Amino acid sequence: RKEVEQDPGPFNVPEGATVAFNCTYSNSASQSFFWYRQDCRKEPKLLMSVYSSGNEDGRFTAQLNRASQYISLLIRDSKLSDSATYLCVVLARGGADGLTFGKGTHLIIQP
Amino acid sequence: EAGVAQSPRYKIIEKRQSVAFWCNPISGHATLYWYQQILGQGPKLLIQFQNNGVVDDSQLPKDRFSAERLKGVDSTLKIQPAKLEDSAVYLCASSLERIPGANVLTFGAGSRLTVL
Repeated sequence: RKEVEQDPGPFNVPEGATVAFNCTYSNSASQSFFWYRQDCRKEPKLLMSVYSSGNEDGRFTAQLNRASQYISLLIRDSKLSDSATYLCVVLARGGADGLTFGKGTHLIIQP
Repeated sequence: EAGVAQSPRYKIIEKRQSVAFWCNPISGHATLYWYQQILGQGPKLLIQFQNNGVVDDSQLPKDRFSAERLKGVDSTLKIQPAKLEDSAVYLCASSLERIPGANVLTFGAGSRLTVL
């Protein structure tokens, strides 16, 4: 089983719709979780951290389910500018290793 | 604040040749990372430095890859000799603290390597 697994997509979603995608992780000792966004041919940038209690930032909501070992990202009222690849990122307990990135989920918002 | 600087942005070489990439992290950031991102994949950690010491290089192919951060600031990643499968974007990132979860990782724009 891969350490961090994501559906690569692409997810084709009409503008204004709500879209959600999950990410599963294999290491139960993982302690920190993040979503990074990567635009085409650009570097990844932090979108949001994922807290145990869940967190919301504007149209974006991230949630963590430790029992089932997955995190989710929900985007409401999607905009054309949300088109990007969303990378799920996990940090193992202890933090001695760098972050482990998933392959990313490709999202295309269509007008 | 200035971001993470990387050069060159693009490099095309033939297999068995050598190449070097340079990274200048954000001023004051003690931790520096080199990631390899192959097309269609997520970034994979190659090496992590804390100041000028190596924290983790377990995924660095040491027979051909080397990296150094001699003065705890700039870093160089070298590949010698290059193979076709080394074609990728090499991303440098830095963070303020050793534990990446404690701080945001800031990435440079990357160095895109094509090996022919």
